[in-house]
Amino acid sequence: GQNIDQPTEMTATEGAIVQINCTYQTSGFNGLFWYQQHAGEAPTFLSYNVLDGLEEKGRFSSFLSRSKGYSYLLLKELQMKDSASYLCAVRDWRHRGSTLGRLYFGRGTQLTVWP
Amino acid sequence: DADVTQTPRNRITKTGKRIMLECSQTKGHDRMYWYRQDPGLGLRLIYYSFDVKDINKGEISDGYSVSRQAQAKFSLSLESAIPNQTALYFCATSTSGSYEQYFGPGTRLTVT
Repeated sequence: GQNIDQPTEMTATEGAIVQINCTYQTSGFNGLFWYQQHAGEAPTFLSYNVLDGLEEKGRFSSFLSRSKGYSYLLLKELQMKDSASYLCAVRDWRHRGSTLGRLYFGRGTQLTVWP
Repeated sequence: DADVTQTPRNRITKTGKRIMLECSQTKGHDRMYWYRQDPGLGLRLIYYSFDVKDINKGEISDGYSVSRQAQAKFSLSLESAIPNQTALYFCATSTSGSYEQYFGPGTRLTVT
């Protein structure tokens, strides 16, 4: 299986920048995803990285280093509504040879933003 | 209207009862998934289906079964519910040509 690690909890203040790290181990890597999940709600897609480097989307950016098995999600100009759990997920292509294999999720990082 | 719907949204049942959770989607996606989420354990895959005739076990399929009645419908059954199946259950969909999974609103199941 996959081994995906991310911090359990983080806190930050409104307006600040926070970086949520994710490390993974898989021999069938085919993409890394970040999802946001508010309490009691469904996860929603934030970002996708398959090549090394930084992907920027508004206040959120995601970085990937495949050689290090490492990704981070960067949240800028934090707002209270950013308080949520952030899920790192890795796709493994080895499922039945499909190039769009299944996802393996980390346990999530609970981010609390204080005023 | 929501693209991925789940019924029921909440259910309390007793140990030993048979329970079915239903998922429907109007997105036209061919791939559907069932996950369970427990506090501190993240999302874990129960079963997934890449098309109507294709059903695959995930990492925690014991005690569960599924049925893909049509491209738009994917049901999860607990044949004999037990308390450690108390969890939040999510259905998700995707297409073979994209990478994003779209999640339903979830079903909170409590087994007493």
